[in-house]
Amino acid sequence: EVQLVESGGGLEQPGRSLRLSCAASGFTFDDYAMHWVRQAPGKGLEWVSSISWDTTNIRYADSVKGRFTISRDNAQNSLYLQMNSLRVEDTALYYCAKDGDLLRMNYFGYWGQGTLVTVSS
Amino acid sequence: QSALTQPASVSGSPGQSITISCTGTSSDVGNFNLVSWYQQHPGKAPKLMIFEVNKRPSGLSNRFSGSKSGNTASLTISGLQAEDEADYYCCSYAGRSTFTWVFGGGTKLTVL
Repeated sequence: EVQLVESGGGLEQPGRSLRLSCAASGFTFDDYAMHWVRQAPGKGLEWVSSISWDTTNIRYADSVKGRFTISRDNAQNSLYLQMNSLRVEDTALYYCAKDGDLLRMNYFGYWGQGTLVTVSS
Repeated sequence: QSALTQPASVSGSPGQSITISCTGTSSDVGNFNLVSWYQQHPGKAPKLMIFEVNKRPSGLSNRFSGSKSGNTASLTISGLQAEDEADYYCCSYAGRSTFTWVFGGGTKLTVL
């Protein structure tokens, strides 16, 4: 059974940093691209960042480019999101998602339960 | 403002069929057969319902179907059931530098 467990969220001040983690199990982690998608309170879904299985293809939404860094450790079956220079508008539930397509970036096949990031002074 | 346009709400009675539209542009929905749909119940994580316009994940009910015409994709749910009441989001690969995937604003489905 696929399991994605996010952690690392919390309350942080604007301008500070947070590192989110996603522990994956139940599938061959290094066969799949991984993604971060966020959802602000009461709002819709927003794609944040993606990383290919071999880290050669990394994408960011303009809203986080230059501030967030996605990475993965295939030996540890883990995905990360380093969030620097946090803004109030980064407040959201951050979901880790496994791509549904083997070795490609295509769609969000399975989602974790999310970790809440709140940015406020 | 979301990149893809969905109706804010739709409703239907049990047993009926409903269709949710998702309108993009020639740069996203119209250019790629990479539209997906997600169901989200309150307080829950999104769940994949349709990928690559009209493909269903293994084990998903065939009451859910997807299609696309030009810049507009659609999700149809037939034989509505109470448990179908949820928010539904479309998503398209866009391949642009500003964003690679774009979501719709979401549609609240109410089963009357």
